[in-house]
Amino acid sequence: EDKVVQSPLSLVVHEGDTVTLNCSYEVTNFRSLLWYKQEKKAPTFLFMLTSSGIEKKSGRLSSILDKKELFSILNITATQTGDSAVYLCAAREKLTFGTGTRLTIIP
Amino acid sequence: EAEVAQSPRYKITEKSQAVAFWCDPISGHATLYWYRQILGQGPELLVQFQDESVVDDSQLPKDRFSAERLKGVDSTLKIQPAELGDSAMYLCASSLEVRGEQFFGPGTRLTVL
Repeated sequence: EDKVVQSPLSLVVHEGDTVTLNCSYEVTNFRSLLWYKQEKKAPTFLFMLTSSGIEKKSGRLSSILDKKELFSILNITATQTGDSAVYLCAAREKLTFGTGTRLTIIP
Repeated sequence: EAEVAQSPRYKITEKSQAVAFWCDPISGHATLYWYRQILGQGPELLVQFQDESVVDDSQLPKDRFSAERLKGVDSTLKIQPAELGDSAMYLCASSLEVRGEQFFGPGTRLTVL
């Protein structure tokens, strides 16, 4: 059975801190790993990773995939209160989501 | 900017009643997905369409759930009869191609009393 595990489940940090969110996966016919941000609504797409070791960046967010160790990390530097959300990762072929990491940024 | 549309946004129903949700994907997106997200969990795929054909419905509880996309554009997800455990957010997503980026709609929050 395909499985995606995220850690930590919950994280509370102060504004300006840097955070690292983890995602490990065991899926059949792995194709890619996706990160989403979910506030009080539908998930919004952040990154799609298909190759090991190639970092993807978007502003203060970055992510990298390790296909040998079957995990990915999402980094957020200089966190802001607007980063507070649930961060979901999902692995495909068949898109299987983890339960998410709830990130809370304290001003 | 093109968006996935869903209606209704909220639905409250009593158990044993029938409910239906509607989704209109981004124009030109051939692949459409229905997900169920229970509070505190990640979305769980219920059904995936490629144009009008079902590609994957292995997680769809077929005794009470049905989904269709008759003309390969918009889609309807139905539950009959609804049960208390069906209370969840029902999300629709679409993508240009099967393995492409998925764009999610705002969801329909279902409460079964």
